[in-house]
Amino acid sequence: ETTLTQSPAFMSATPGDKVNISCKASQDIDDDMNWYQQKPGEAPIFIIQEATTLVPGIPPRFSGSGYGTDFTLTINNIESEDAAYYFCLQHDNFPLTFGQGTKVEIK
Amino acid sequence: QVQLVQSGAEVKKPGASVKVSCKTSGYTFTGYYIHWVRQAPGQGLEWLGWINSNSGGIKYAQKFQGRVTMTRDTSISTAYMELSRLRSDDTAVYYCAKDGSDASIAAAGTLPIDYWGQGTLVTVSS
Repeated sequence: ETTLTQSPAFMSATPGDKVNISCKASQDIDDDMNWYQQKPGEAPIFIIQEATTLVPGIPPRFSGSGYGTDFTLTINNIESEDAAYYFCLQHDNFPLTFGQGTKVEIK
Repeated sequence: QVQLVQSGAEVKKPGASVKVSCKTSGYTFTGYYIHWVRQAPGQGLEWLGWINSNSGGIKYAQKFQGRVTMTRDTSISTAYMELSRLRSDDTAVYYCAKDGSDASIAAAGTLPIDYWGQGTLVTVSS
């Protein structure tokens, strides 16, 4: 089973900041890493696929990087609407596993 | 647009069973897999398994083998997840999620989950 270690668990940002969220896999998962955004009471939204590809319709201030075991979600010029819970998911192998999530607060 | 709409919150006693539905629209139901995932309070997300919406083929996480049953009704584009012998630590929000893989040509998980339901809170309490 692939363990995903996501950090930080919580962060507070000011509008305009650049935010980085890390997800480290316990074994090589190539680029089979994905990122999702979830707001309270809503379904998660798919934002980054295959480590680096922006899902259509997602603002370009979101980006992803990494390969193998180390991955990063970056939000440039963060906006108030980006306040949410973010989590990573690997689909390289079963069982599918998830990071513990990051709550992003906007000051 | 693709939508997955789940059934409402449930309160169950320990030892009982719960069945959650996931009604889909906006895509060809039988063309894709459906995953079930849960999140307990204060915990991360946990995968329960998938069902091939076309063939009915299933794969369950080892942890839930013997307690979980996934089914589907293709006539109404709906998937179901039933969890039996409920315990207090089964209290969680349960999600259905659509796999991006074409079930006619690819294995589940070839592509990632692309759409999620809104979640169903299942509370297990005596």
